[in-house]
Amino acid sequence: GAGVSQSPSNKVTEKGKDVELRCDPISGHTALYWYRQSLGQGLEFLIYFQGNSAPDKSGLPSDRFSAERTGGSVSTLTIQRTQQEDSAVYLCASSLIHGILFFGSGTQLSVL
Amino acid sequence: RKEVEQDPGPFNVPEGATVAFNCTYSNSASQSFFWYRQDCRKEPKLLMSVYSSGNEDGRFTAQLNRASQYISLLIRDSKLSDSATYLCVVNPGGGADGLTFGKGTHLIIQP
Repeated sequence: GAGVSQSPSNKVTEKGKDVELRCDPISGHTALYWYRQSLGQGLEFLIYFQGNSAPDKSGLPSDRFSAERTGGSVSTLTIQRTQQEDSAVYLCASSLIHGILFFGSGTQLSVL
Repeated sequence: RKEVEQDPGPFNVPEGATVAFNCTYSNSASQSFFWYRQDCRKEPKLLMSVYSSGNEDGRFTAQLNRASQYISLLIRDSKLSDSATYLCVVNPGGGADGLTFGKGTHLIIQP
């Protein structure tokens, strides 16, 4: 596909369950970002992958959050033991030029 | 002081008017700057990069003021379709996590 693809588009889960969110970046883009956005709020940085370098995890809010990027392409964001405050839109973006990001349409996560 | 600050608005502007808003940043070492646009319930999209010399793209003009640490976005002859939230993005440079998004300025163009 031409753009960044995220799945699922919507995810409803129960408190305490684990969830996995997937991001398929634009082919050839070396950088991949995860952000989250709560309703009416700004984007909160979560994690950043650049090529084969160690990811920058400084934005992950707790150790319940983890992410990996396999083969420099697809990335999975995992949230363990979900809490209601994890409810948000999780946005993935890929980039070839630093600062110029292409976002996916996001995963709306609702934790009941 | 927050890293990137924007007036949340909303700015209510009649169609055809000129509107401008600023974004201030706290890190004087910041290297690059961008404006993104986000429509309601949509993902952000790059509007334009902000160069030291300023740049213009059609009805949109972006400026950088390093001395006062702010960037600005000017929209001329505003259209209804310009209604959106405009996000300021600052990259301190060299750091992997340097992309900091402002919370955005909400613009409403009224017919």
